[in-house]
Amino acid sequence: GENVEQHPSTLSVQEGDSAVIKCTYSDSASNYFPWYKQELGKRPQLIIDIRSNVGEKKDQRIAVTLNKTAKHFSLHITETQPEDSAVYFCAAQKTGNQFYFGTGTSLTVIP
Amino acid sequence: EAQVTQNPRYLITVTGKKLTVTCSQNMNHEYMSWYRQDPGLGLRQIYYSMNVEVTDKGDVPEGYKVSRKEKRNFPLILESPSPNQTSLYFCASSLWGQGRRGYTFGSGTRLTVV
Repeated sequence: GENVEQHPSTLSVQEGDSAVIKCTYSDSASNYFPWYKQELGKRPQLIIDIRSNVGEKKDQRIAVTLNKTAKHFSLHITETQPEDSAVYFCAAQKTGNQFYFGTGTSLTVIP
Repeated sequence: EAQVTQNPRYLITVTGKKLTVTCSQNMNHEYMSWYRQDPGLGLRQIYYSMNVEVTDKGDVPEGYKVSRKEKRNFPLILESPSPNQTSLYFCASSLWGQGRRGYTFGSGTRLTVV
């Protein structure tokens, strides 16, 4: 099956700086890569996703990049704010199969 | 409002007493799944279902049962709960196939088995 690795497990940044979280996957047939944000005590929520026919996708301060050759994808958060503090999960999926999650990154934005 | 509804939100029970956590979605999603979340271990899949009457084991199915008699409902059953099943549980659903957009998660059930 698929194996998704996520790094780093914890990340602290100063408010206004950028944060980058990286994930690698093992199955070259995976073609859909969502990112989830989980605030303390709440459910994970989808914040951005990318399909394998696209190299980059942006939504305001967040962006995701995908390198299919290297089998890795990254979440970029610019101009971080305290409300960005949360646990972020990446996932990978191929058509007709289940989602495989990374182990999460706890992001702390220091005011 | 499109949502996944889980009940109960909190549950404390004793070892061996059968319990059911309900999950219902109103989005006509084919795919439903149960996860448990433990500190440092991320989200681990317990069972999933790709459609009515189709269920399969995830990574940590031992001690759990599920059923999918209707498209909208996917209950999680613990026949004889044990303390190592103390965890935060999430139900999730999604479309299947090319139009999928990732999961919608329920609010979670925090289960404590004493």
